[in-house]
Amino acid sequence: DSGVTQTPKHLITATGQRVTLRCSPRSGDLSVYWYQQSLDQGLQFLIHYYNGEERAKGNILERFSAQQFPDLHSELNLSSLELGDSALYFCASSVGLAGYSSSGANVLTFGAGSRLTVL
Amino acid sequence: GNSVTQMEGPVTLSEEAFLTINCTYTATGYPSLFWYVQYPGEGLQLLLKATKADDKGSNKGFEATYRKETTSFHLEKGSVQVSDSAVYFCALSVSRAGNQFYFGTGTSLTVIP
Repeated sequence: DSGVTQTPKHLITATGQRVTLRCSPRSGDLSVYWYQQSLDQGLQFLIHYYNGEERAKGNILERFSAQQFPDLHSELNLSSLELGDSALYFCASSVGLAGYSSSGANVLTFGAGSRLTVL
Repeated sequence: GNSVTQMEGPVTLSEEAFLTINCTYTATGYPSLFWYVQYPGEGLQLLLKATKADDKGSNKGFEATYRKETTSFHLEKGSVQVSDSAVYFCALSVSRAGNQFYFGTGTSLTVIP
């Protein structure tokens, strides 16, 4: 158990629907990152939050949105789903921001992922 | 910019063979370097890391040395096991790079008995 909790583990839905993926970071971690992993695209960075504020955006579609709440958990909302959105969605957390910290390199700790299947 | 380039897979080796997975990087600042491993059906796990030039990260028999002069961080293991079958990702982070981690495309390794 990495300490990063993602729910649900599996989700099957239809095109056009909306889903919410949830992530609870490891205790003490302030940063949350979302990644999408599909067979043909590899690991794609979506968005990063630090202590409730958006810090960086990657290849996130306009149909997708995310937020980090005061208790530091995060949600990724996917709407108007398309077949191509079927993928594994990973959440990862770290103590602070990327790079070197006073205690050593900031590392990412990943959750087990949420597998989304759009039919 | 910041990016990571990994050797393409898939890689198939016999048990006890020597493993090298090449990784090179470009970075605007002074990066920290990582190898992550993803076992089938699981999330990524940190395998090893290095934070400055000439540092050697090691874990579970795997090693990688931070080579600033060649901007490389190649992963090696002297004798692979079937249980090492997984996808390996090289990654970097730079504190001034928009607070992001940059991952390579991953290299799939299959070890056959």
